[in-house]
Amino acid sequence: AQKITQTQPGMFVQEKEAVTLDCTYDTSDPSYGLFWYKQPSSGEMIFLIYQGSYDQQNATEGRYSLNFQKARKSANLVISASQLGDSAMYFCAMREGLSNFNKFYFGSGTKLNVKP
Amino acid sequence: DSGVTQTPKHLITATGQRVTLRCSPRSGDLSVYWYQQSLDQGLQFLIQYYNGEERAKGNILERFSAQQFPDLHSELNLSSLELGDSALYFCASRGGLASTDTQYFGPGTRLTVL
Repeated sequence: AQKITQTQPGMFVQEKEAVTLDCTYDTSDPSYGLFWYKQPSSGEMIFLIYQGSYDQQNATEGRYSLNFQKARKSANLVISASQLGDSAMYFCAMREGLSNFNKFYFGSGTKLNVKP
Repeated sequence: DSGVTQTPKHLITATGQRVTLRCSPRSGDLSVYWYQQSLDQGLQFLIQYYNGEERAKGNILERFSAQQFPDLHSELNLSSLELGDSALYFCASRGGLASTDTQYFGPGTRLTVL
């Protein structure tokens, strides 16, 4: 089974509107971390936001927020007030367990296009 | 700038050859992760080192090997290269033991095998 599933290969959003990128995960470990990364066309991977499995509140970082629904095992990224510079690939990732030695699992990504 | 450096930025070589990719983690980070990103694919985890020792292994081919040196920089060696090895290879470093610690990625090395 896939550890991380991103079901939206591509998304379009109008500039200044909000957009939600979906991510579901699969783990039986009670301790895990969820991450979102942005990959612009230039290729670098940029860390956006983190959510821990024990965190009571949804994580927020500026225009990014993570809609964490633990029972549904979903960790959707919400980008508010989209900007043209938000056009990029977005990857959801999970680290199982609390050990520093655990590997990260990445989804296949969602390509977001922001239209002017 | 993430603080993680990778060299070279681009590499073009022929099938059957061997190459070495180099990564310097952020200052103080003990963990180094290697990933392969092929065209239209997500990131495939290859291997992780922590303070010089291999700690986790993913889908790394036997033709590939890696190591982390005492100064914490890491090298990924790819041998008997095939056309399918053409990809973007990322190194990421991670600092402490807190569960919140994320990985910070280098700019990647784009390998083209002709």
